[in-house]
Amino acid sequence: GAVVSQHPSRVICKSGTSVKIECRSLDFQATTMFWYRQFPKQSLMLMATSNEGSKATYEQGVEKDKFLINHASLTLSTLTVTSAHPEDSSFYICSAPWAGVGYGYTFGSGTRLTVV
Amino acid sequence: EDQVTQSPEALRLQEGESSSLNCSYTVSGLRGLFWYRQDPGKGPEFLFTLYSAGEEKEKERLKATLTKKESFLHITAPKPEDSATYLCAAHSGNTPLVFGKGTRLSVIA
Repeated sequence: GAVVSQHPSRVICKSGTSVKIECRSLDFQATTMFWYRQFPKQSLMLMATSNEGSKATYEQGVEKDKFLINHASLTLSTLTVTSAHPEDSSFYICSAPWAGVGYGYTFGSGTRLTVV
Repeated sequence: EDQVTQSPEALRLQEGESSSLNCSYTVSGLRGLFWYRQDPGKGPEFLFTLYSAGEEKEKERLKATLTKKESFLHITAPKPEDSATYLCAAHSGNTPLVFGKGTRLSVIA
């Protein structure tokens, strides 16, 4: 249980275009979704936290106008990278908390974004 | 400031050579200590949640333990398929997860 499906797994886009990444909770309701960015051989860096039906909270240094987050339902959160540039190339991962017997955080499979 | 430090940064083992990975944490009011496995190009895969000092959890060749300052991930008789990056993360309740930088484990046949 507690599966988060993330799509696409890989995307290559041209500089200046926008890319949307989707994360769906398949067997539970994700009222909160965390969005991370990961550079090669580095750990996960939290970008923003989204809550269903309200505005996302962005970490310091993350441009909210570049990384648009929408959490319109309990099963879907999206991250749109707007006007992408090569420096936005990275591995993006979503995560949602779950609770049952204990609690934890389940992660999507990640999206490798390459901006050319 | 909450901090999580993992060591070693990289570890190379022969198949069957048991070892331990360390995760030291400085977190006020720990709610949970998490271990994840991450394969290249994939999202982290949940392994364990530990809640209080003295707790231990096992899964196949892995056993995680927790003290008031650190957690260990013990790998017994590892196999090549155990090769991955192992991430430790701490949760203090009022802040998001704080991750360590991970330990890259290579198990050689």
